[in-house]
Amino acid sequence: SAVISQKPSRDICQRGTSLTIQCQVDSQVTMMFWYRQQPGQSLTLIATANQGSEATYESGFVIDKFPISRPNLTFSTLTVSNMSPEDSSIYLCSVNGQGVVETQYFGPGTRLLVL
Amino acid sequence: DQQVKQNSPSLSVQEGRISILNCDYTNSMFDYFLWYKKYPAEGPTFLISISSIKDKNEDGRFTVFLNKSAKHLSLHIVPSQPGDSAVYFCAAPGAQKLVFGQGTRLTINP
Repeated sequence: SAVISQKPSRDICQRGTSLTIQCQVDSQVTMMFWYRQQPGQSLTLIATANQGSEATYESGFVIDKFPISRPNLTFSTLTVSNMSPEDSSIYLCSVNGQGVVETQYFGPGTRLLVL
Repeated sequence: DQQVKQNSPSLSVQEGRISILNCDYTNSMFDYFLWYKKYPAEGPTFLISISSIKDKNEDGRFTVFLNKSAKHLSLHIVPSQPGDSAVYFCAAPGAQKLVFGQGTRLTINP
């Protein structure tokens, strides 16, 4: 299994500002995933971050709002830009597991509240 | 289009009894299904899976049943323990990503 850490664990931000969330994995991985879990909602994939190439965004998510960096095989950042209260959510990064069944391992999440 | 659905947002069960969490899906091409467990302030952790060629998979107190004709799967926890109180997500592999249900919050009462 992979050990994943995220910073910050939580933050309270003012609308119009931006927050960068860091994700560190204890092993090299090809793909890293960024999810959002809004209050009472399911886990929604924002984008897939590949090292050495542009991130792939899911429908409804754009690079200008959620720029992603992937400088190496163990680290990624997600920025939530020009925040509004609707961005209040838990943001999670994850990586694929190795095994017969392709599971995913998740970081502890970053709880964001936008006022 | 919600391909994986959990219609019960919450479930309350007495300690020692059986907990049954349900999940419905629409895509008959899913190869396998996963259940994740999530505690507050933690990321989801993988719990148990089932291949689409099976109808049951058991791991200790946890058993997952798959009914392909009904496109329905369920997670049984028996006996339920206080530490099982968490949010449970079912998931299936979509196109290069996992598709998650909305989650069911399970509360085990002493």
